[in-house]
This record gives sequence, structure tokens and C-alpha cells, in this order.
Amino acid sequence: SQQGEEDPQALSIQEGENATMNCSYKTSINNLQWYRQNSGRGLVHLILIRSNEREKHSGRLRVTLDTSKKSSSLLITASRAADTASYFCATVPADRGSTLGRLYFGRGTQLTVWP
Amino acid sequence: EAGVAQSPRYKIIEKRQSVAFWCNPISGHATLYWYQQILGQGPKLLIQFQNNGVVDDSQLPKDRFSAERLKGVDSTLKIQPAKLEDSAVYLCASTDLLSGNTIYFGEGSWLTVV
Repeated sequence: SQQGEEDPQALSIQEGENATMNCSYKTSINNLQWYRQNSGRGLVHLILIRSNEREKHSGRLRVTLDTSKKSSSLLITASRAADTASYFCATVPADRGSTLGRLYFGRGTQLTVWP
Repeated sequence: EAGVAQSPRYKIIEKRQSVAFWCNPISGHATLYWYQQILGQGPKLLIQFQNNGVVDDSQLPKDRFSAERLKGVDSTLKIQPAKLEDSAVYLCASTDLLSGNTIYFGEGSWLTVV
């Protein structure tokens, strides 16, 4: 399977703490993307990291990519109750030969941030 | 910029009935996707369009599912006849080269088959 797999499946923390979610995948990728999904809502794009990048930041989000280990991590610093959601990693395989390739999603990590 | 629009948001039907979902992508986006997300799982691609042509429909259950994108803009996804296991959220998404590979999703159409 080419899909990413997130770890852990569920994470529960207090406001102000950092949350780290991991993603592993099996094939070479063009890029890896992280999405957030609030309960009953659609997917919101958070950040994209390309295969030649190792780290990207966006506000309180930090994403790392280790292509040798085929893994990525998403760090949310100083978490807030509003960060409570499911987080998915999705990969675009390198063998598509297209910049508009399909996304392969994992099952997601359910993050709960308690006030 | 308006996002990806989907309708209806919620639909409850009996098994063996039919249902259709509509999607209007972000203006100018040539690539459109339909994903199926079963509760507790990640989205799975059903079909990908480039303009009005099908790029990938390998995961689409063609005996009951069909999709079209006339004129390369709006798209409809139809299920006929529906089965209990089709209960899921149907997500439409779009992208273009200017988005730098970012794929934008709609709010989804929630289907319950009883």
C-alpha cells in the first residue's frame, strides 16, 4: 500500500502542551501533505513538504520529512482547545510523473486538547 | 476566493435507491477529485478528472458508481443502486498548477444508507 500511516491513532493533551504526530509511508514520494479535519467538516490543508525538503514551518506548525526513513512528523506547539481535530498525512507518489497526482491518506490521528 | 462547493451536505436514503452529489470546484482549477471517506478512515480516491477527461477511476465501483464533469467545471457523482456500505462522506477536491500541488477540499456530502 502506498498510503501513509499515522501514529498514534489518538492523542490527548492539555492546552499549552506540544503535540507530535508521526506518519510513515512505503514508496518514494513527490511530496507529503498534512490536513486537519474537524468533526463533521471537510479537510483543511495545513502544510506541504516536498521530497527535497527536510523541514517546514507555518505558524505553530513544524513538519519534518526524512525520506531515508520514509517518515514525517507534525509538531503543533502551544496547543489550544481549538486544535482538537483529526490530522491526516497524505502522500503524492513520485512515480506519477505529474505534479497533480492523487493523494494517499492514512487513517489519521485524533488529537484532543483539554482546556 | 470561494472554496470548493458541494451539495447536498446530508442525504439519507434507503438501500437500492439512487443519489447524486454535485461539486463546483475552485474557479480555474482543471483537476477535480472525488474521495470517499468511511467513518474512522482516511479518504480514498474514487475518481480524478483533468478538465472533462478521466485521469484515474481505478477505485470507482463502476457497477454502481458513475461520475461526470461536463464542460470541465462542475461535476456530479451518482450512486445507483446504493448499498449499506456506501454510507460515507463524499469529498470533492480541486487543484491547479498555481496551487503548487495543494489540493483544496469541500465540506463533503454525508450519505447514510438505511
